[in-house]
Amino acid sequence: DIQMTQSPSSVSASIGDRVTITCRASQGISTWLAWYRQKPGTAPKLLIYAASSLQSGVPSRFSGSGSGTNFTLTITSLQPEDFATYYCQHAKSFPLTFGQGTKVEF
Amino acid sequence: EVQLLESGGGLVQPGESLRLSCAASEFTFISYALSWVRQAPGKGLEWVSTITHSGDNTFYADSVKGRFTISRDNSKNTLYLQMSSLRAEDTALYYCTKDLKRPYDFFDYWGQGTLVIVSS
Repeated sequence: DIQMTQSPSSVSASIGDRVTITCRASQGISTWLAWYRQKPGTAPKLLIYAASSLQSGVPSRFSGSGSGTNFTLTITSLQPEDFATYYCQHAKSFPLTFGQGTKVEF
Repeated sequence: EVQLLESGGGLVQPGESLRLSCAASEFTFISYALSWVRQAPGKGLEWVSTITHSGDNTFYADSVKGRFTISRDNSKNTLYLQMSSLRAEDTALYYCTKDLKRPYDFFDYWGQGTLVIVSS
């Protein structure tokens, strides 16, 4: 099974900051990676798929990059609604797995 | 707007069974794979199972293989998860999700979740 490891586990930030979260796969997954944001008490929301494709309706302050085993999610100019937990997920093969999450907090 | 409405959660004792349902609307149901993803209280996301658009192929996490069965009724636009031999570690909020598009098993729509509690 492919393991996904995110870092950091949490990050402190302020409104307007640039935040970068990394995700590492235990083996190469090409660009079979997605990023989600989960605000407290709500379902996750797809932000980025195929490592760098912005999901429809998602603000352009979100961007993703990487391929193989190393990936990053960057949020430029952090907004109040971005204080949340972020997850990466691979879809290279079954079983699908998520990273453990990165909490972006004030 | 795509809607996914889960139901069927509740409190059960270890070893018992439960069937979750997910009623879908506002998209071409038969065209998309569907999945269940769960989240234990205060924990991260865990993929549980996926069924292809036709229902011909199903996939399971090792943690539920042999105990859970995913199915779909394309005539009723409904997804199911039959859970048996439930364990305390199955306690979680269970989300029904829609796959983005073939070949991507990413989840672009999520329901609000249905809570399953396994406890004696």
